[in-house]
Amino acid sequence: DVKVTQSSRYLVKRTGEKVFLECVQDMDHENMFWYRQDPGLGLRLIYFSYDVKMKEKGDIPEGYSVSREKKERFSLILESASTNQTSMYLCASSSLSSGKPYNEQFFGPGTRLTVL
Amino acid sequence: AQSVTQPDIHITVSEGASLELRCNYSYGATPYLFWYVQSPGQGLQLLLKYFSGDTLVQGIKGFEAEFKRSQSSFNLRKPSVHWSDAAEYFCAVGGIGGNEKLTFGTGTRLTIIP
Repeated sequence: DVKVTQSSRYLVKRTGEKVFLECVQDMDHENMFWYRQDPGLGLRLIYFSYDVKMKEKGDIPEGYSVSREKKERFSLILESASTNQTSMYLCASSSLSSGKPYNEQFFGPGTRLTVL
Repeated sequence: AQSVTQPDIHITVSEGASLELRCNYSYGATPYLFWYVQSPGQGLQLLLKYFSGDTLVQGIKGFEAEFKRSQSSFNLRKPSVHWSDAAEYFCAVGGIGGNEKLTFGTGTRLTIIP
């Protein structure tokens, strides 16, 4: 089974801190994604990556950056955390389309981040 | 731009009753449509997907969904719900070009009463 793991289930940080959220997948997937999930807003894409060292902005990239130095690992960075970044963060991965229009995205369990 | 609307924020049904969760999408071409489920404290799991062909698609856990182009809908159904179906359900639409980006709806929370 595909496994997507996230470094922490719960995280509490203070305003202004630099925060790293780590995501690791074990199925050699090329694509990786970071979403944030908020009540009433569903999932919104922050950043995604098609390959090592490649990144693309999603719908809400402001205040975030990402790093993908290895294929299996995709990090989300909050350079200076703010209270409005309190949220659930979900990582996902998928393999490259091979003749199919889409491949399934596999999700990690999420990290609930609270910024005080 | 693509978008997804799930008009029901919260639905309560009795165990054993039938279920239908609504999803409407906006997209300029043939959409790729998905239903995901999120159990409490868990990540999202794919229930089913529609790419082309038969408009009635079967998924896991006894769920099915029907794609209706004329109504821009992709409603999820189950003939008889179980207490373990209590979760949040998300509809999503994918864009063209195989770029793997998904746009999600705001979700519908399902509560099951005995």
